[in-house]
Amino acid sequence: NAGVTQTPKFHILKIGQSMTLQCTQDMNHNYMYWYRQDPGMGLKLIYYSVGAGITDKGEVPNGYNVSRSTTEDFPLRLELAAPSQTSVYFCASSYSGQGSNSPLHFGNGTRLTVT
Amino acid sequence: GENVEQHPSTLSVQEGDSAVIKCTYSDSASNYFPWYKQELGKGPQLIIDIRSNVGEKKDQRIAVTLNKTAKHFSLHITETQPEDSAVYFCAASKRSASKIIFGSGTRLSIRP
Repeated sequence: NAGVTQTPKFHILKIGQSMTLQCTQDMNHNYMYWYRQDPGMGLKLIYYSVGAGITDKGEVPNGYNVSRSTTEDFPLRLELAAPSQTSVYFCASSYSGQGSNSPLHFGNGTRLTVT
Repeated sequence: GENVEQHPSTLSVQEGDSAVIKCTYSDSASNYFPWYKQELGKGPQLIIDIRSNVGEKKDQRIAVTLNKTAKHFSLHITETQPEDSAVYFCAASKRSASKIIFGSGTRLSIRP
């Protein structure tokens, strides 16, 4: 199993451009999450999904959109990129919700710079 | 809402010594407390977890303790080695929750 795969690993975006960060998992996990991690800071939840066709906002959803058309894929879209979106983005998945004591499996992140 | 506080934010210990990282949670209904280790350039990885019906759990050189009354839980690393250098995150969640709450992280450095 590859686990959680994120692409690209690095990207530089100009202010106002849009892009999609890709995330796919091959563990048949129902739950998927997007976090951002600013330098020296902790993890902030952007969006999450409890299954195909269902998404919900986390702590910091503004400026982002997600979709979950399949169990495997959970892309994160940035519209009209701003410098404040410069961060490292992590996708994660789990078999069931965190309340069911199900550990998170993280990808290795996408380092995004908006200039 | 639920909040998890983590201390210290940075910790430097001599190789071979012990390291302790402490967390406090606010929601008494929390019942699952995992610890994640994040190495440079990688995503966090689960290293140990504890459930609310257990007071202590060990796995080789790492251990986690839970004090439900005080709403504290701690990570203990003994006989520290260079490969223990990383950022460590505590977290808490409760039954029926879809998402977990992370602490702010502790950067652990092991001095040779």
